[in-house]
Amino acid sequence: SQQGEEDPQALSIQEGENATMNCSYKTSINNLQWYRQNSGRGLVHLILIRSNEREKHSGRLRVTLDTSKKSSSLLITASRAADTASYFCATVNDYKLSFGAGTTVTVRA
Amino acid sequence: EAGVAQSPRYKIIEKRQSVAFWCNPISGHATLYWYQQILGQGPKLLIQFQNNGVVDDSQLPKDRFSAERLKGVDSTLKIQPAKLEDSAVYLCASRRIRRGNTGELFFGEGSRLTVL
Repeated sequence: SQQGEEDPQALSIQEGENATMNCSYKTSINNLQWYRQNSGRGLVHLILIRSNEREKHSGRLRVTLDTSKKSSSLLITASRAADTASYFCATVNDYKLSFGAGTTVTVRA
Repeated sequence: EAGVAQSPRYKIIEKRQSVAFWCNPISGHATLYWYQQILGQGPKLLIQFQNNGVVDDSQLPKDRFSAERLKGVDSTLKIQPAKLEDSAVYLCASRRIRRGNTGELFFGEGSRLTVL
């Protein structure tokens, strides 16, 4: 079963705009991770946020975590064509890592 | 540092045939995962190894799927006999265990299986 649920399922934006996607989960977590998957490729780790953290930044990425609402968001600022990919949240609980269904982001030039 | 290696990249078989996928994790990574990713869905964990022991295989269809990790390094995932619904990408991932840090997973490029 998949722990996380991403929203929206798909997102289309213009180059230079920001992209925001959300992840909701059901049980307690140790940490939450975000991954990117380009078409036909494996997943690549983007960022990890621990359960005692509320916000984290990495380059153009900003992740927030609200454990009271069991939700996280990923913001990609100043998007580029190369950001076109599927983005997955993964919840970690007792070393078990479970993925959501993903958000497909298309960045139009 | 070399990444996670998987082979074959693509495989087409007929239903009821068998297939095997191979994974070589990053050197020194104790934990190895096999995920199944059906088109349009997120990866679903099939089995997790810690060294050569199984940590979690609760979602592995054991009547047709088997996996082993000999000597705690390479791993093989086998499907016998294959069904149409097994058409998917099989992703292998590995992770280094650090004390108090669950860490990120490193994924291979995947093995795409088509069952006709």
